Amino acid sequence: DAKTTQPNSMESNEEEPVHLPCNHSTISGTDYIHWYRQLPSQGPEYVIHGLTSNVNNRMASLAIAEDRKSSTLILHRATLRDAAVYYCIPNQAGTALIFGKGTTLSVSS
Amino acid sequence: DAGVIQSPRHEVTEMGQEVTLRCKPISGHNSLFWYRQTMMRGLELLIYFNNNVPIDDSGMPEDRFSAKMPNASFSTLKIQPSEPRDSAVYFCASRPSGGSYNEQFFGPGTRLTVL
Repeated sequence: DAKTTQPNSMESNEEEPVHLPCNHSTISGTDYIHWYRQLPSQGPEYVIHGLTSNVNNRMASLAIAEDRKSSTLILHRATLRDAAVYYCIPNQAGTALIFGKGTTLSVSS
Repeated sequence: DAGVIQSPRHEVTEMGQEVTLRCKPISGHNSLFWYRQTMMRGLELLIYFNNNVPIDDSGMPEDRFSAKMPNASFSTLKIQPSEPRDSAVYFCASRPSGGSYNEQFFGPGTRLTVL
């Protein structure tokens, strides 16, 4: 599994954009980049995933570097409900997700 | 859909007792995963099944832990005998077959406390 590096914590204000970085320099060519988040006292939930191209969905956007050694999860307008631990997980399709320590995002009103 | 169902939601037991955690995956999902989460070690994969067959159990801590999946709609994780260091939140997750990505759907977890 590719090793990932994420900031331990980040802070944001409500209604502001948030950029959560992730370095995965050992990613293999066939690894997808997944982002999950874990709200307090809940199980992790899927946020977004991509392979090479940038991706958008109703929750977030994923920007993938051209060399795929890093990616950034973008929350366009943070809300209090977005306070969670965010995990960046490169992995092969069909295998189990392996979670690192993630980034704890705090959102202030 | 009810999502992944885990029971019990909370379990308090004494050291040496047997503990059985239960999971019902989402109907139609053919992969099932057991994870354990502690403050010290984070979220760890214990074991996962494809089509009811264990694929990777390298994360199972020791022989005290065992997992079964007798059919596509039910799995158990058993700890016998339990120890205080087994105290954690245990998550079950399931995933549908096929597709190019790994969207795993997690249950609400079982919080286990071993006294």
